[in-house]
Amino acid sequence: DAGVIQSPRHEVTEMGQEVTLRCKPISGHDYLFWYRQTMMRGLELLIYFNNNVPIDDSGMPEDRFSAKMPNASFSTLKIQPSEPRDSAVYFCASSLPVELSKWAQHFGDGTRLSIL
Amino acid sequence: AQSVTQLDSQVPVFEEAPVELRCNYSSSVSVYLFWYVQYPNQGLQLLLKYLSGSTLVKGINGFEAEFNKSQTSFHLRKPSVHISDTAEYFCAVSIFGNEKLTFGTGTRLTIIP
Repeated sequence: DAGVIQSPRHEVTEMGQEVTLRCKPISGHDYLFWYRQTMMRGLELLIYFNNNVPIDDSGMPEDRFSAKMPNASFSTLKIQPSEPRDSAVYFCASSLPVELSKWAQHFGDGTRLSIL
Repeated sequence: AQSVTQLDSQVPVFEEAPVELRCNYSSSVSVYLFWYVQYPNQGLQLLLKYLSGSTLVKGINGFEAEFNKSQTSFHLRKPSVHISDTAEYFCAVSIFGNEKLTFGTGTRLTIIP
């Protein structure tokens, strides 16, 4: 079974550039979550979708961040313009409806983002 | 709002010794509790979860955790650790009926040969 697939695994870019992170959830999962992990703040939920619709984006740090889910098998997290403080590991996770998954989220291996 | 506290940021343990990783939570309503493990350069994997029923929960890789409502704790234990248990461990909480998870800051478990 293919797990959650994230790309790229590593991204290094200069501040001011646009960054796009990609995620393919597990087939059949209808929840998708975007997290950010840093040493200072730990693991933070940025936004999550249910059936391609954003449900809660209260964790998105500011307007420079945007996320989309155009279909059930693909999501993007975009940062424009990027800043050095955006450097972190970004995780995507997916899950079945809670009555089936019992809140078990499946995580991708993450994208390590470095903004110079 | 709910919160999770993992007081120990790092725990060194000798191989084959027992280990306990501590987790305390705060919530005004009923919660579900989870432990996830993160191996180096990987995403998080679910170790075990407490939803209801028996307060002693068994998970993968020989880990178990005990839910203690009076002490608002959900400590993770293993009677004998192995080098392969070296990882970061995250406690997480979810409010009943809500698919959002709130994670603790993590505990890095280091196994000493």
